[in-house]
Amino acid sequence: EDKVVQSPLSLVVHEGDTVTLNCSYEVTNFRSLLWYKQEKKAPTFLFMLTSSGIEKKSGRLSSILDKKELFSILNITATQTGDSAVYLCAVEYGGSGSRLTFGEGTQLTVNP
Amino acid sequence: DGGITQSPKYLFRKEGQNVTLSCEQNLNHDAMYWYRQDPGQGLRLIYYSQIVNDFQKGDIAEGYSVSREKKESFPLTVTSAQKNPTAFYLCASSSRGASYGYTFGSGTRLTVV
Repeated sequence: EDKVVQSPLSLVVHEGDTVTLNCSYEVTNFRSLLWYKQEKKAPTFLFMLTSSGIEKKSGRLSSILDKKELFSILNITATQTGDSAVYLCAVEYGGSGSRLTFGEGTQLTVNP
Repeated sequence: DGGITQSPKYLFRKEGQNVTLSCEQNLNHDAMYWYRQDPGQGLRLIYYSQIVNDFQKGDIAEGYSVSREKKESFPLTVTSAQKNPTAFYLCASSSRGASYGYTFGSGTRLTVV
């Protein structure tokens, strides 16, 4: 059965802390792994990863994919209260009719 | 501006009634998707369509129906057969090979009263 598993499901930290969010997957015909941030409504795109070992970076956020271990991490350094959100990991897979399956998400709360 | 428009934002339905959620995109994307999100949970795939006049069931298609008569539009009907329809519904679209992932609409919150 195809699945995407995120951990932890929730995390509470203080401003300035560094956090690591985890995503593991088991799918057939992997295409890409995506990270999204969801605050109140629609998820907003953070990263798309297709190759192992290549870190993608955007400001304080970075992510890397390990296709051998079927795993990805999302790092956030020097966290701010504005980073509080649900972080969703999703995997695109399949042949001609690819689809996107999401994990349950990690609820991150950053306290001042 | 290009994007996805979902309407309405909030919808109330009486038990036993069918209701249709609208999703329109002007991004010229071939693929469109419907997801359902329950509190504290991730997104679950209901239906998806890769091209016009074709669609496939996702993981939780029971009690839902869709159509794809135009590239820009992918309406979702929540039928009376859906036992627990109260949820947040998100529509998305994508273009094969795009490096920016999927684009999401702002969602419709459906409440059964």
